[in-house]
Amino acid sequence: GESVGLHLPTLSVQEGDNSIINCAYSNSASDYFIWYKQESGKGPQFIIDIRSNMDKRQGQRVTVLLNKTVKHLSLQIAATQPGDSAVYFCAENVRGYSTLTFGKGTMLLVSP
Amino acid sequence: NAGVTQTPKFQVLKTGQSMTLQCAQDMNHEYMSWYRQDPGMGLRLIHYSVGAGITDQGEVPNGYNVSRSTTEDFPLRLLSAAPSQTSVYFCASRPNQGAKNIQYFGAGTRLSVL
Repeated sequence: GESVGLHLPTLSVQEGDNSIINCAYSNSASDYFIWYKQESGKGPQFIIDIRSNMDKRQGQRVTVLLNKTVKHLSLQIAATQPGDSAVYFCAENVRGYSTLTFGKGTMLLVSP
Repeated sequence: NAGVTQTPKFQVLKTGQSMTLQCAQDMNHEYMSWYRQDPGMGLRLIHYSVGAGITDQGEVPNGYNVSRSTTEDFPLRLLSAAPSQTSVYFCASRPNQGAKNIQYFGAGTRLSVL
């Protein structure tokens, strides 16, 4: 499978626990922040995004929190399941630019 | 609906060889991009295109060429492969308007340069 897990921060949780994955950013001009999930051997998949004028956004079992004061973004996954095991990337889009800048990723391991 | 299709899935090259990584999407997306993924480095943008006939450089463009003659296809060319180009390559697409943050990724091409 993929070797993207090497050298990555890893979060290990038990099935049913809540997971919190963190991301720091540096560009105050970022307009959108996005979370992607990458399962082993696959391409990244969009999970949820949040605009810079929001503090919180909820999806199905996921919540993204944005703290612009400390330039911090988090992804909360409720009732984590083994199928949530993957590498999670945060990405940012700077206002006026069409491209995304990705973070280095965090591996989430869920034990049954 | 196939989404984003990348070929080949695996490739081994010798230093100095050339090859083209293919990417095609059937969602009529204007924006397409190529990333490389190395352990511990996340995804780094190589080249991108906001529409047919328009391409631009990303963060790590050296050693790679692209062209965009149609909306559907965005091939990535390695003119003279180097071991430093050993990586996993992902192609992605998204619309220019509307859901701009939802990029659709292909399954990747795993390239080894010996």
